[in-house]
Amino acid sequence: GNSVTQMEGPVTLSEEAFLTINCTYTATGYPSLFWYVQYPGEGLQLLLKATKADDKGSNKGFEATYRKETTSFHLEKGSVQVSDSAVYFCALLPMDTGRRALTFGSGTRLQVQP
Amino acid sequence: DAGVIQSPRHEVTEMGQEVTLRCKPISGHDYLFWYRQTMMRGLELLIYFNNNVPIDDSGMPEDRFSAKMPNASFSTLKIQPSEPRDSAVYFCASRVGEGVRTFGSGTRLTVV
Repeated sequence: GNSVTQMEGPVTLSEEAFLTINCTYTATGYPSLFWYVQYPGEGLQLLLKATKADDKGSNKGFEATYRKETTSFHLEKGSVQVSDSAVYFCALLPMDTGRRALTFGSGTRLQVQP
Repeated sequence: DAGVIQSPRHEVTEMGQEVTLRCKPISGHDYLFWYRQTMMRGLELLIYFNNNVPIDDSGMPEDRFSAKMPNASFSTLKIQPSEPRDSAVYFCASRVGEGVRTFGSGTRLTVV
């Protein structure tokens, strides 16, 4: 079956530090990959996506590259801010079935300290 | 566009009572999803609809849970009877495009 594995949190960083949140996946075929972010008290929001191997998704300074050879989609940001404190979810959408449901990882909480 | 609208934002109820959660998706979105989020189990997909038709309800925990979508602009998730272990945040989401979901702000349910 399909699954997404994320690094355990919380990840605690100082402002302007470099961020990496690891995500690996298991899926048949070539899924599309996503990062969603959840701020306190809110629903999830799409942060970025990539639909094929070697694609790079980017938004708000965050980036992730679809690596088929390592089945990974790690999230990175060069300089985090306090406002980036949130829970980040990696997700996949299988493209070889009719199922239109995302498979989410367990989420990684990021805490950025001033 | 007001986004996906869920009501109520918070619900506290006693064990055994019926609870109804409501969702208004974004107009024109063809898929609607109900999720449950807890610390222990993370984000779980309960059920999703396509053009108002339930497609996959395999995530619905048990017969106490039911969901309907009588038209394109409204869906309900009902729990009857409610139990303390149903306490969670319930999210509704509708589909913008492949894999792209717009989530509501959620309903925090507490069953005492």
